[in-house]
Amino acid sequence: EVQLVESGGGLVQPGRSLRLSCAASGFTFDNYAMHWVRQAPGKGLEWVSGISFNSRNIDYVDSVKGRFTISRDNAKNSLYLQMNSLRAEDTAFYYCAKDTLATMIRGPDAFDIWGQGTMVTVSS
Amino acid sequence: DIQMTQSPSSLSASMGDRVTITCRASQSISGYLNWYQQKPGKAPKLLISTASSLRSGVPSRFSGSGYGTDFTLTISSLQPEDFATYYCHQTYRTPLTFGGGTKVEIK
Repeated sequence: EVQLVESGGGLVQPGRSLRLSCAASGFTFDNYAMHWVRQAPGKGLEWVSGISFNSRNIDYVDSVKGRFTISRDNAKNSLYLQMNSLRAEDTAFYYCAKDTLATMIRGPDAFDIWGQGTMVTVSS
Repeated sequence: DIQMTQSPSSLSASMGDRVTITCRASQSISGYLNWYQQKPGKAPKLLISTASSLRSGVPSRFSGSGYGTDFTLTISSLQPEDFATYYCHQTYRTPLTFGGGTKVEIK
């Protein structure tokens, strides 16, 4: 079964750090780009970051640049998001999502597999 | 950044109705537009990719069209399981962006 399972969410104080993980199974992980997408409570979807199959191409939404770091370990079929200097506005459900393509070169791709999400709450 | 504007933001419809949701990009995105369905408490599900390609397993009552800046998602005959929120998504340029969503509710 094709599956993505996120973990690592929780309640954290502003300014602190958190590391999210996403475990992939049921497909050849190192053939595809991967992404993190978040959704604040009651709000819409926001793309956070993406990484190519070989980690050579990485990109972020401006609001997290310099604070968040995406990475992957193809040997462990895992995707990560290191979140530093967290702010209240980072509070959201965080989903990992599989791309239909391998690269981050923009084109006719889509997010065809999503995890169930993990909640991150930033509050004092 | 490319802004994606969906309309309407919500709609009420009855079973069997034909429903059309529109998505407009702030600049041309070629055909790089996807549609997702999200039900409460669940992850989004990909329905249509590259504007009009129906994903495997998605009912044929869903269809997509458009190119450039204007796109539509159509549900030809609304079924009970279609009540959800729908999002468009451009992959033409980073940052990848989503529309604000259209909530389809029961009339």
